[in-house]
Amino acid sequence: DIQMTQSPSSLSASVGDRVTITCRASQGISNYLAWFQQKPGKAPKSLIYAASSLQSGVPSKFSGSGSGTDFTLTISSLQPEDFATYYCQHYHSYPLTFGGGTKVEI
Amino acid sequence: EVQLVESGGGLVQPGGSLRLSCAASGFTFSDHYMDWVRQAPGKGLEWVGRTRNKANSYTTEYAASVKGRFIISRDESKNSLYLQMNSLKTEDTAVYYCVRTSSSSGHWHFDLWGRGTLVTVSS
Repeated sequence: DIQMTQSPSSLSASVGDRVTITCRASQGISNYLAWFQQKPGKAPKSLIYAASSLQSGVPSKFSGSGSGTDFTLTISSLQPEDFATYYCQHYHSYPLTFGGGTKVEI
Repeated sequence: EVQLVESGGGLVQPGGSLRLSCAASGFTFSDHYMDWVRQAPGKGLEWVGRTRNKANSYTTEYAASVKGRFIISRDESKNSLYLQMNSLKTEDTAVYYCVRTSSSSGHWHFDLWGRGTLVTVSS
């Protein structure tokens, strides 16, 4: 199975900050990588697929990059509604697996 | 409105069975793969399994943790997805999400999530 490792597991940031979250795959996955946002008590929301393609309706302050084993999610200017937990997920092969999550806190 | 609505969760004893349903609306259900993802209390996300679309003969894939115990099926006439869970264990306790999977340039990716239904396995 492909293991997905996110770092950091949590971070503290302020409104207006630029935030970067890293996700590393245990083997190459090309760009078969997605990012999700989850707020407490809510279902996850899809943000990015194919490592860098924004889902419809997702604001452009979110961006993704990377290929192979190393990927990043960047939030250009953190807003109050962006405080949440973010997960990466590969869909290169079965089983699909998620990273452990990164909690973005004030 | 494009949405997924899960139902069927509840309390079940270890070794018991439960069937979850997911009602899809607002899109062409048969075009999409459909997945189940779960989240144990206070934990991260875990993929449970997938059923492909009609064009791919509705074939299925499962996580090792549920293979042989869970069965995913779909009813196109009802625009519904199902998860039959047998031989339930306490570690199956989780919120179960129904997820739509769409294709873009060869990428089958999650793009729509239901609100989830809680399954509690306890004696």
